[in-house]
Amino acid sequence: TQLLEQSPQFLSIQEGENLTVYCNSSSVFSSLQWYRQEPGEGPVLLVTVVTGGEVKKLKRLTFQFGDARKDSSLHITAAQPGDTGLYLCAGVKRGSTLGRLYFGRGTQLTVWP
Amino acid sequence: EPEVTQTPSHQVTQMGQEVILRCVPISNHLYFYWYRQILGQKVEFLVSFYNNEISEKSEIFDDQFSVERPDGSNFTLKIRSTKLEDSAMYFCASRTSSGANVLTFGAGSRLTVL
Repeated sequence: TQLLEQSPQFLSIQEGENLTVYCNSSSVFSSLQWYRQEPGEGPVLLVTVVTGGEVKKLKRLTFQFGDARKDSSLHITAAQPGDTGLYLCAGVKRGSTLGRLYFGRGTQLTVWP
Repeated sequence: EPEVTQTPSHQVTQMGQEVILRCVPISNHLYFYWYRQILGQKVEFLVSFYNNEISEKSEIFDDQFSVERPDGSNFTLKIRSTKLEDSAMYFCASRTSSGANVLTFGAGSRLTVL
């Protein structure tokens, strides 16, 4: 079983459409992070959310942390081909002092022009 | 912008051979990590290292694996006797002692075991 269930696994949309990626768990996290990974590269941090109910915006990307800190979502408005990539959610379990990250399987997003 | 550097970018080895993957974390970071990603699978935690000792390791990190910080800048992952299933991308990451566990990842070392 996955500690963090990420969905959908694949998403293929047209430029200009909106999309949402979900990251769910039965565990509580002290923080949850979203990364973007390009082929042949390491994950690059997009945002960290730490407070239940927190919403953070990064241009056209909106990240939300669930009130109970068990889930998170990434919403992209008016997707562009440059948004194409692998999006990963990862969390630090509540009580962890060592920062071990648990990753979801990722969502491969393809935005067609 | 400071970055984590990893070498080699790609290594091909025969099963049973020893492999050392090298990492230079960001200079003022104090926590160091190795993660791996088997092709098509999720990124998995291997080990964390702080104050010159392992602070946490996963069930993947068995006796075939070891880590070392031989000097003030390098952080290495050694696999003593590689197996086919060790083929993966290995990512080094580091972070400061403060902040909300924000890790900076290297670009990875691709290990192919034949």
